[in-house]
Amino acid sequence: EAGVAQSPRYKIIEKRQSVAFWCNPISGHATLYWYQQILGQGPKLLIQFQNNGVVDDSQLPKDRFSAERLKGVDSTLKIQPAKLEDSAVYLCASTASGVLSYEQYFGPGTRLTVT
Amino acid sequence: KQEVTQIPAALSVPEGENLVLNCSFTDSAIYNLQWFRQDPGKGLTSLLLIQSSQREQTSGRLNASLDKSSGRSTLYIAASQPGDSATYLCAVNTGTASKLTFGTGTRLQVTL
Repeated sequence: EAGVAQSPRYKIIEKRQSVAFWCNPISGHATLYWYQQILGQGPKLLIQFQNNGVVDDSQLPKDRFSAERLKGVDSTLKIQPAKLEDSAVYLCASTASGVLSYEQYFGPGTRLTVT
Repeated sequence: KQEVTQIPAALSVPEGENLVLNCSFTDSAIYNLQWFRQDPGKGLTSLLLIQSSQREQTSGRLNASLDKSSGRSTLYIAASQPGDSATYLCAVNTGTASKLTFGTGTRLQVTL
């Protein structure tokens, strides 16, 4: 079984530029999450999708961050314009539906550096 | 609001030692608790998941316990090896939306 895929693995941009990250969850997983992990901290949930609907985006800075999961499979997270404090690792995770454990499986992450 | 704390923040032990990592959480109404491992520059690898109705889970040299009423979990690593060096994160799943709240992690170094 293939794991959660993310691309790119690394990205360096200047502040005020835009950037997009892509995630493909494990096949059949209905729930998809985007987390932001700042160096030295634990991951923080940005947005959660159930199929193509948003379940929780309370911690997503909506003035600059957006995310979509149009067909209920892969997802894109966008930042526009980027700020220095957006430098972090962006992690994607997924969970199967109808499974009591709700165990989350994580991708390798995208390391973003904003200069 | 759920808050998760991990102690110690960093730990260095010689190879072969048994060790315990601690995790505490403020809201005991959790669905489950997961322990993860994170290697530098990598994503998270799930180690153990404990449902709220369980007291412990074991996988190889790892044993995780859960005391929901006191808001505590421990991860026990037996006979530590240099390959165990990584950051260990605990996360609690609160509520029906399967939302994880993470601690800040314990950075473990096992020396030869």
